Amino acid sequence: NAGVMQNPRHLVRRRGQEARLRCSPMKGHSHVYWYRQLPEEGLKFMVYLQKENIIDESGMPKERFSAEFPKEGPSILRIQQVVRGDSAAYFCASSPVRWQTNEKLFFGSGTQLSVL
Amino acid sequence: KQEVTQIPAALSVPEGENLVLNCSFTDSAIYNLQWFRQDPGKGLTSLLLIQSSQREQTSGRLNASLDKSSGRSTLYIAASQPGDSATYLCAPRGTASKLTFGTGTRLQVTL
Repeated sequence: NAGVMQNPRHLVRRRGQEARLRCSPMKGHSHVYWYRQLPEEGLKFMVYLQKENIIDESGMPKERFSAEFPKEGPSILRIQQVVRGDSAAYFCASSPVRWQTNEKLFFGSGTQLSVL
Repeated sequence: KQEVTQIPAALSVPEGENLVLNCSFTDSAIYNLQWFRQDPGKGLTSLLLIQSSQREQTSGRLNASLDKSSGRSTLYIAASQPGDSATYLCAPRGTASKLTFGTGTRLQVTL
């Protein structure tokens, strides 16, 4: 049973380009969480999705950022017209529909986005 | 809004020492609290999870305690080793089913 898979591990973009980050949840999980870690800062919640639905996007910037989790395929975090301030590590985690209180949340290895 | 504070921000100890990392949170309405370690440039490794009804959890040389009513958790590391050097993060899980992370304690264990 593979863990949470994120790709790519490293992504380099020039200012103004688009960045697409992918997250495949653990088998049997249908909820995905995205977090961002800016240099020298803690992890900040961005968005919480279930398949075909956004549950909580309170941590996601209103402009240029979007997230989806289609019925088939991985969850995608999309950043349009990237700026240098978007350079960060982006982590995702997944949970089952009935996430029990004794169940840990497991994270992927992250995508390091560097904007030149 | 949940806010999580970890003290100290950084800690350096000689090998073999026992140490305590502190975590405080403002909203006590939590389901559980997880402790993670993060190595430089790497992802997060889950260490321990304490449910809101529990007071302690132990795994090897690690012991985590939770005082939900006062909004505090501690991570105790016994007989520290250089391999324990990492950043330690605590993250309570709130009723909105998301984790809120502290900024972490950066631990350095020296030979």
